[in-house]
Amino acid sequence: EVQLVQSGAEVKKPGESLTISCRCSGYTFTKSWIGWVRQMPGRGLEWMGIIDPRDFDIRYTPSFQGQVTISADRSINTAYLQWSSLKPSDTAMYYCARLNGYVDSWGQGTLVTVSP
Amino acid sequence: DIQMTQSPSTLSASVGDRVTITCRASQIITDWLAWYQQKPGKAPKVLIYRASNLESGVPPRFSGSGSGTDFTLTISSLQPDDLATYYCQQYDTFPWTFGQGTKVEIK
Repeated sequence: EVQLVQSGAEVKKPGESLTISCRCSGYTFTKSWIGWVRQMPGRGLEWMGIIDPRDFDIRYTPSFQGQVTISADRSINTAYLQWSSLKPSDTAMYYCARLNGYVDSWGQGTLVTVSP
Repeated sequence: DIQMTQSPSTLSASVGDRVTITCRASQIITDWLAWYQQKPGKAPKVLIYRASNLESGVPPRFSGSGSGTDFTLTISSLQPDDLATYYCQQYDTFPWTFGQGTKVEIK
């Protein structure tokens, strides 16, 4: 069974750094792209970027380029989403997603709250 | 970026009703379109891929149609469990984009 298990909720202050993770199991990690999706409170879904764990090819949606860093570790079948300096506007639920063209599996979501 | 426009934004219908949600792309995306269902407090779940293909395990009351720029998600007989927000998403050209969502309420 394909499973994407995300790290737990985080409460951070503005300016702090953060890395959240997405541990993948039940399939060959290098055979599917992984993407990250943001959902701000009460809002819709937004693609942030995608990574190919096979060769670490990464594509960012322009509005997220330079705001976050996407990476992966093939040795532990895990993808990451990283911020170097959080802002209150980063408060959102973040989902990782396995791509089969479309998303065929989702993580459970990681709630990130950024507050002074 | 390709813009995806869904309508309506909110829909209220009775159990047993036929419900239709439309999604329009700002440029041709062939049939590279998926529909997702997101229940309150949960991660989304795919219903339809390649515009009209039912994902395994999804009830057959859900169906999708369309190609090019205009697409439709139909629920043939609305059930109480269908209370959710529905999103279309194009995966023809990166950055992939979602529609703004259609919230389905049960009367």
